[in-house]
Amino acid sequence: AQSVTQLGSHVSVSEGALVLLRCNYSSSVPPYLFWYVQYPNQGLQLLLKYTSAATLVKGINGFEAEFKKSETSFHLTKPSAHMSDAAEYFCAVEPRGSTLGRLYFGRGTQLTVWP
Amino acid sequence: KAGVTQTPRYLIKTRGQQVTLSCSPISGHRSVSWYQQTPGQGLQFLFEYFSETQRNKGNFPGRFSGRQFSNSRSEMNVSTLELGDSALYLCASSLGGTEAYEQYFGPGTRLTVT
Repeated sequence: AQSVTQLGSHVSVSEGALVLLRCNYSSSVPPYLFWYVQYPNQGLQLLLKYTSAATLVKGINGFEAEFKKSETSFHLTKPSAHMSDAAEYFCAVEPRGSTLGRLYFGRGTQLTVWP
Repeated sequence: KAGVTQTPRYLIKTRGQQVTLSCSPISGHRSVSWYQQTPGQGLQFLFEYFSETQRNKGNFPGRFSGRQFSNSRSEMNVSTLELGDSALYLCASSLGGTEAYEQYFGPGTRLTVT
């Protein structure tokens, strides 16, 4: 079964500081990879996805993620945090093959941004 | 384009009752997936429908069921509600097919079972 690990359930940064949220997956075949953000009392919003075209993926709101096969990682970064980035972030994978349409999610990382 | 809509947004039911939740996907999307979100278990996949057929199913008891209509709208039903069914139920739509198209999520239905 697919496994997604997000290191750090809570991350705190100052406004303007680098944001780094970690995600590792367990799969011998690199899956499709996604990052979603969830604001309070809302659904999930897609930030970016990796399908295999490029290892560095740019998303919305200044976020980007780098796929590293050797490390089975897909960490999310943003050079400069903004107060509005405070939310919960989820890494998700979709295995290649017959389980299309099913996402496996990590447990989430709550990002706090201090002024 | 209008986003994914879910109705109702909030629901309070009593143990033993049944409930039906509705999801309208983005126009043109043929795949609808359902997820349960709880503080204890996180986000868990319930099932996915594509062109009125269930393609995938997660590890939930038979009390959880769903269906999809010809216009791609989907419903999920939970019978004999238990306290542990209290959760945020999210549906997501995508173009579907054979590639990993992006899934777009609705705002969710918050179900409370008392």
